[in-house]
Amino acid sequence: AQKVTQAQTEISVVEKEDVTLDCVYETRDTTYYLFWYKQPPSGELVFLIRRNSFDEQNEISGRYSWNFQKSTSSFNFTITASQVVDSAVYFCALSEPFMDSNYQLIWGAGTKLIIKP
Amino acid sequence: DGGITQSPKYLFRKEGQNVTLSCEQNLNHDAMYWYRQDPGQGLRLIYYSQIVNDFQKGDIAEGYSVSREKKESFPLTVTSAQKNPTAFYLCASSITELSTNEKLFFGSGTQLSVL
Repeated sequence: AQKVTQAQTEISVVEKEDVTLDCVYETRDTTYYLFWYKQPPSGELVFLIRRNSFDEQNEISGRYSWNFQKSTSSFNFTITASQVVDSAVYFCALSEPFMDSNYQLIWGAGTKLIIKP
Repeated sequence: DGGITQSPKYLFRKEGQNVTLSCEQNLNHDAMYWYRQDPGQGLRLIYYSQIVNDFQKGDIAEGYSVSREKKESFPLTVTSAQKNPTAFYLCASSITELSTNEKLFFGSGTQLSVL
């Protein structure tokens, strides 16, 4: 079974706090990709990062960082010094082989992040 | 600016009515997708198209239909056979097909409600 679990339905923090969004996935494949997308109140999802299963290096982009651990099947996302503009729904997704050369994208249910001023 | 335009932003459907959601992209992307988003759930794939005049069913295609007559356009029709159409519908595109694991570009969505 393929599955992506974002156990935190909603997180609320005060501005400038650090916050970590959890993502746990299940797959039988050795080759797969993981994604994070942000959905602000305007509605459109915005790509944040893509990671392949062979690259376990953590990534940092400004205030955003991602911790990929194959041993625990997790791909967690941390926002440092959160800002009100970070308020959004964040989705984790898993892409893995499906029917010949295609891939299927499995989405988590999303975590709603509320940053209070 | 290049992007994906979805219209209308809000749409209301009467019982037994077919409605069509518009999706246009000027990114010159080959692949286009329709997703359905329900509260508290992840996105579910309705249909996707990797090339003009070709499209494939996703996980929840029943009650929906699409066409891809032009590269730029991928309209979604919600038919009367879809008994629970109330949801947020997102159109997306990618440079090439899913097999290359390209990132997706999304429109701002259409909220469909039943009267």
